[in-house]
Amino acid sequence: AQSVTQLGSHVSVSEGALVLLRCNYSSSVPPYLFWYVQYPNQGLQLLLKYTTGATLVKGINGFEAEFKKSETSFHLTKPSAHMSDAAEYFCAVTTGGSYIPTFGRGTSLIVHP
Amino acid sequence: DTAVSQTPKYLVTQMGNDKSIKCEQNLGHDTMYWYKQDSKKFLKIMFSYNNKELIINETVPNRFSPKSPDKAHLNLHINSLELGDSAVYFCASSQGRADLEAFFGQGTRLTVV
Repeated sequence: AQSVTQLGSHVSVSEGALVLLRCNYSSSVPPYLFWYVQYPNQGLQLLLKYTTGATLVKGINGFEAEFKKSETSFHLTKPSAHMSDAAEYFCAVTTGGSYIPTFGRGTSLIVHP
Repeated sequence: DTAVSQTPKYLVTQMGNDKSIKCEQNLGHDTMYWYKQDSKKFLKIMFSYNNKELIINETVPNRFSPKSPDKAHLNLHINSLELGDSAVYFCASSQGRADLEAFFGQGTRLTVV
């Protein structure tokens, strides 16, 4: 079985500040991990993903995430927040051969001017 | 061209009615999904089809029936609509298993009154 926990349903930062969105997973086999972003009234869009190889993954819009097996974490970061980053962010996990991705409950990122 | 398109975008209907939501993808993917997103943004997978074959059928009332006439289409029919069915329904597609990126439609906001 697999599961995802996103710590913090809301994260508030000032424009230009560091963004850190937390994701912890549980999986009995090596996981594949994803971050998706959902802008208001839109569908989800892939930010980045980790399958195998390099544990630091770079995505679109300046976001990156690091897979830490020892901590079962896949936190999302961005050095400097922009107003346009305000959105809902979802962490997801699946495993090789699975057709069932499991999504976290989402974290709403609020960016203050 | 929109990769995954859903119609309608908004649907307001009375309790007890039957309604359908259509989904089409032009990405050549062989796996399609239906997700339900509740008012708290929680995403729950409902169904998944691979090459027109149902492979995931989560705990969903049998009032919900997916239909896949071909690999590019996955429609969702809902009978006897209830207030609790109000949500945003997302169609998505991926090439093969869930370890690959899923592309989401814009969503259909269903309101049952």
